[in-house]
Formats: sequence, structure tokens, C-alpha cells
Amino acid sequence: NAGVTQTPKFQVLKTGQSMTLQCAQDMNHEYMSWYRQDPGMGLRLIHYSVGAGITDQGEVPNGYNVSRSTTEDFPLRLLSAAPSQTSVYFCASRNPGTDTQYFGPGTRLTVL
Amino acid sequence: AQRVTQPEKLLSVFKGAPVELKCNYSYSGSPELFWYVQYSRQRLQLLLRHISRESIKGFTADLNKGETSFHLKKPFAQEEDSAMYYCALSGRSGGYNKLIFGAGTRLAVHP
Repeated sequence: NAGVTQTPKFQVLKTGQSMTLQCAQDMNHEYMSWYRQDPGMGLRLIHYSVGAGITDQGEVPNGYNVSRSTTEDFPLRLLSAAPSQTSVYFCASRNPGTDTQYFGPGTRLTVL
Repeated sequence: AQRVTQPEKLLSVFKGAPVELKCNYSYSGSPELFWYVQYSRQRLQLLLRHISRESIKGFTADLNKGETSFHLKKPFAQEEDSAMYYCALSGRSGGYNKLIFGAGTRLAVHP
């Protein structure tokens, strides 16, 4: 199993550009989440999904959209990138009833 | 409010010295607490959880409900322990348990 995969690994955007961060998992996990990691702030939950077709907001959802059309994929969309969205983004998955989150390798995003 | 506090951004020790990474939490109810670790160029992974009361890589953590703490300890640090450590709290929101992370502590073990 590849586990949780994320693409791209690195991305540089200009302010106002849009893009999609991809996340996929092959463990048949129902729950998937997106976090952003910023120095001194730990990991903060952006959006999460408890199953295909179901998404909800986390702590810091503004500026981000998600969808979950399949169990495997959970893309994160930045509609109009801002410098405040410069961060490292982690996707994670797990099954209900378990607490162990499996994390992807991260995407380092810079918005100029 | 649910919150996890890790007061130290950086903890620097010499090899063989004892290590204690501090974690305090705020939660109304019975908390489930975890330590996650991120080694250089690796993804974040679970180190240990309080309910299992296990020792992983020589690390232990005891939940102290009176002091609302879950400090991570190791009696003799090794260079390979150098990493970023995150304390996390599992907090329920509806039917979904959100993981709330602290800001993290970077452990640097020097030879």
C-alpha cells in the first residue's frame, strides 16, 4: 500500500492564482482531513470528510474548498491564493473508531 | 475550549541526558491524548497514545488529569530522537473526533 499520497510536493503561486492540492489514500479509510502547518501554530484543521459526499469545515476553512466524490480522493482547492496561505499542507486519513491518523508527506506551498 | 499547549519551541539536550517534553491540555470531558513525531524529511506519525500506556522507542507519557498534563519522557536521549514532537488531543465534534494539535516542540539531541 502507498498509504496517503499528496501531489505536488512543492508549489509556488502568485497572489490570485488558483490551484488544487491532490490527496489520495489506498487504505479504504472513511475519514480524511486537511491540515496546514505553520511555525509556532502546530497543525490546524482546514476541512474534513467523514465519507464520500460529506465534508465539513475545520478551524481555518476560509479560502479553501474541498469535495469528496470517492472514498480514495480528497482534493483541496485554493480559489484565489493569498500570501497568508503560504504553508505546508498535510492530508490525513483514518477509519472511524480508531484514533491513529495516517499522514501524507505534505505539500509546501508558497504564495508570492 | 479545547486546547493543547506545548510551552517549549525548542528543547536542546546532550546525548544520554533525560528528556521531558511538556504538554498541557484544556478539555471538558475525558480526553484522549497522543504524541506524534516528525523526523527530518519524513511524514508525521503516531508515537504513542495514553490509553495504551506503552513505551515506544524508550518514550513514555502519563496522563495526569489533576495537572491536565501529558508530558513525554525518555530517561536517556539518543541523537536519532531529534525531531519535531506534537502533542494532540482527540476532541469530539458531533460524530467526528477532531485531532487538536499543540504548536510542537523541536527536540535537538547533541553528541
